Amino acid sequence: EVQLVESGGGLVQPGGSLRLSCAASGFTFSTYDMHWVRQATGKGLEWVSAIGTAGDTYYEGSVKGRFTISRENAKNSLYLQMNSLRAGDTAVYYCARGDQSELARKYYYYMDVWGKGTPVTVSS
Amino acid sequence: DIQMTQSPSSLSASAGDRVTITCRASQSISNYLNWYQQKPGKAPKLLIYAASSLQSGVPSRFSGSGSGTDFTLTISSLQPEDFATYYCQQSYSAPPWTFGQGTKVEIK
Repeated sequence: EVQLVESGGGLVQPGGSLRLSCAASGFTFSTYDMHWVRQATGKGLEWVSAIGTAGDTYYEGSVKGRFTISRENAKNSLYLQMNSLRAGDTAVYYCARGDQSELARKYYYYMDVWGKGTPVTVSS
Repeated sequence: DIQMTQSPSSLSASAGDRVTITCRASQSISNYLNWYQQKPGKAPKLLIYAASSLQSGVPSRFSGSGSGTDFTLTISSLQPEDFATYYCQQSYSAPPWTFGQGTKVEIK
C-alpha cells in the first residue's frame, strides 16, 4: 500500500525549532518529487516546500531562509527542518508526493498521495 | 505568483443535486489545473488533473472543464460522501504551486 506518515509535530515557542519527518512506503521513494503543504485551522491549503529527485529545493516566500527541506532516499524519508518559528507557522503539515502524467505530449503535475498530517503549534 | 480564486466560498445542496464550483486563475494557465477534495480532519485527495482528467478510482459523477483562466468542477448528482471542501490548484507556473481558497459543500 502506498503510504506517507508524518511525525515530529508538537508545541514550540516562538523562535524555536522543530523537525518534521515523513516516512514513505509502498513506492520507489527516490523517483518522486516530494512536497510539504500546510493548513492552518479553518483555513485553506498552502504549499510550503518541495524537493526534487535530484535534491533541488524550493520554498514558499515566507519560509525561505527559515525552513530546510531534505530527503534521505536510503531511509525512504522526507524532512522539514523549521527554525525561527512564528505564530503564523501554526498549522497541520502534510507531506505529499508529486507526480505527473503525459497527455497529448504535455506533462501534467499533481500531488497524488498525501499523509494524514502532523500538527505544529507555535505559542508561548 | 499566479493567484487562484474559487467561487462560491461555500454552498448548500441536497443529495442528488448538480453542483458546480468555479476556479479562476490570475493569468492563463492553459489546462494545468488540479482539483482536490478534503473531508474534515482528513488529508486532501486528488480528484482531477489536467483540468478534466479523472484520477484513478474517482467516481464518474465528478467532472472538470475549462482552459485559460476559467475552470469548473461539476458533481453531477451529489452523494452524501461528497460533502467536503474542494480546492483547485495550478501547476502551470511553479513553484509556488498555488491553491484556491476552497469551496465548502454543505448539506442543505
